[in-house]
Amino acid sequence: EAQVTQNPRYLITVTGKKLTVTCSQNMNHEYMSWYRQDPGLGLRQIYYSMNVEVTDKGDVPEGYKVSRKEKRNFPLILESPSPNQTSLYFCASSFSGTSGRAHTQYFGPGTRLTVL
Amino acid sequence: AQSVTQLDSQVPVFEEAPVELRCNYSSSVSVYLFWYVQYPNQGLQLLLKYLSGSTLVKGINGFEAEFNKSQTSFHLRKPSVHISDTAEYFCAVSEATQGGSEKLVFGKGTKLTVNP
Repeated sequence: EAQVTQNPRYLITVTGKKLTVTCSQNMNHEYMSWYRQDPGLGLRQIYYSMNVEVTDKGDVPEGYKVSRKEKRNFPLILESPSPNQTSLYFCASSFSGTSGRAHTQYFGPGTRLTVL
Repeated sequence: AQSVTQLDSQVPVFEEAPVELRCNYSSSVSVYLFWYVQYPNQGLQLLLKYLSGSTLVKGINGFEAEFNKSQTSFHLRKPSVHISDTAEYFCAVSEATQGGSEKLVFGKGTKLTVNP
């Protein structure tokens, strides 16, 4: 089954304790992205990756890091989480526009993070 | 840069009534347009998209949307809603340029509540 998976689904942590949220897709997509969803603000892009070893900042990158060592995985790293990073996080993937294929992003189920 | 405005944050309707969820966008380049749905405690699922061609787009679950370039709108409609349509709906745009960014810019969402 074609899907985007995220782990963990729920996480409660404390300020300053480094954490990683994993994202994996099995559709051979070039493009992957992380969003955060906050009430009344919709989804905002944190980081994205056009392909392996190619990453760039989105609209709200402060406090986050990413890496893309393999095509299928795109982990989100919070080196020193703070309470303002409490949010619902979504990973998404799609084929790249340069491939000329359909522009549909597929979303993971979300990770609800609480930073105390 | 693109932006998306969803004019209603909440829309309550009765079962079997018609519904329209409004979306307006702003962009200096041509765009692709999307509607995503988020059911409670789930990720985002694509309802429909406009890439080119016919301005009336049909999606899943009986939804349709009409692209109006002159009014920069992409309103979502359903002639008769069900209780199961209760969800949050997001309008999104991306650049429609060759090799353009896959980045999705989202509106803030409209919560549709269908009452019996």
